[in-house]
Amino acid sequence: DVKVTQSSRYLVKRTGEKVFLECVQDMDHENMFWYRQDPGLGLRLIYFSYDVKMKEKGDIPEGYSVSREKKERFSLILESASTNQTSMYLCASSSGRRNEKLFFGSGTQLSVL
Amino acid sequence: KQEVTQIPAALSVPEGENLVLNCSFTDSAIYNLQWFRQDPGKGLTSLLLIQSSQREQTSGRLNASLDKSSGRSTLYIAASQPGDSATYLCAVSPYNTDKLIFGTGTRLQVFP
Repeated sequence: DVKVTQSSRYLVKRTGEKVFLECVQDMDHENMFWYRQDPGLGLRLIYFSYDVKMKEKGDIPEGYSVSREKKERFSLILESASTNQTSMYLCASSSGRRNEKLFFGSGTQLSVL
Repeated sequence: KQEVTQIPAALSVPEGENLVLNCSFTDSAIYNLQWFRQDPGKGLTSLLLIQSSQREQTSGRLNASLDKSSGRSTLYIAASQPGDSATYLCAVSPYNTDKLIFGTGTRLQVFP
């Protein structure tokens, strides 16, 4: 069965900390995405990547960066965590350039205190 | 700018009912449309993907239709069960961007 795995289910961090969220997929997908989901705001795209070492800004990239050194792994980095980054973070992957079926991880609920 | 709307925002029905969830989009220039299910506090699970050249897709008790020209898709759930309770989201893949555009979802509750 296909799988997108996010390293942490729940995470609590302090303001100003550097935070790493890891995502690994086992489907050899080219495309990987990071979303955040907030009540009333829906899903918002932070960053995405079409290939190793490639990245594209989504709708809300400010305060975030990403790294894709290997095809199967896409990391989201919060350079200096702030309370307004408290959210559910969702990683996803797909194949092809036309957004074929999207597979999501189970999410990381991040709380920044 | 492509916008995706889902109506109703919430729905509560008794077990056994057949129901329809609606998704509308403003620009018909799309590659495909997907329906997802999300359980509370969890990630999204893709239910059905309809390519722009298709009219419908079926999986078990689920049937999704697509009318690209009118900018509408429906998700039909037959003989609903309490286990169908979840939030259902639709998303379109537009020609002019590499990003999926999501609706805000319909929260469904099926009570016994």
